[in-house]
Amino acid sequence: EADIYQTPRYLVIGTGKKITLECSQTMGHDKMYWYQQDPGMELHLIHYSYGVNSTEKGDLSSESTVSRIRTEHFPLTLESARPSHTSQYLCASSRPGTVYEQYFGPGTRLTVT
Amino acid sequence: AQRVTQPEKLLSVFKGAPVELKCNYSYSGSPELFWYVQYSRQRLQLLLRHISRESIKGFTADLNKGETSFHLKKPFAQEEDSAMYYCALSISPDSWGKLQFGAGTQVVVTP
Repeated sequence: EADIYQTPRYLVIGTGKKITLECSQTMGHDKMYWYQQDPGMELHLIHYSYGVNSTEKGDLSSESTVSRIRTEHFPLTLESARPSHTSQYLCASSRPGTVYEQYFGPGTRLTVT
Repeated sequence: AQRVTQPEKLLSVFKGAPVELKCNYSYSGSPELFWYVQYSRQRLQLLLRHISRESIKGFTADLNKGETSFHLKKPFAQEEDSAMYYCALSISPDSWGKLQFGAGTQVVVTP
């Protein structure tokens, strides 16, 4: 079934650990995005990608990094997690020709202790 | 810089009453505006976009460039409308589909 998946859904991890949040989509979309959202606040774009081997930083500065080696896969990595990284991370994608409608994954809620 | 403002964090209405969610934006060019909705325990999804001029689930939204607003309206609220609503702005044509979101409005419809 065409969908966008995020794993894990919840993650509690200690300070200093390296973490990777997974995002995969089976919809054949070329553009993918990562948003960060704190409770009650707006979504902030932190990374986006036009396609394979193309990544850009978003409007909100983030210590995370991303890669896009395969069309369907857009993982986000934090080399050394800190409590300030505690947030919800949403992955989204949009299809060719209609760049404005974004399809969202279920999100990963990250807590760094 | 582009900005989207949703002045109400929480909107509580009775079933059957009209509901209006306010959204104002700041952008001097030609905006593309959207409303996204997140129901409890569901993922964020597109509700409607101004360019389609459509009505979805009884909701409509009109772009008012003079007032830089894109308010979402429904004449008779239903309990299933309880959700978090986000207004979003895309600055075409070179935004690569990037969206600027407002902080969201939580709508609670009580019977």
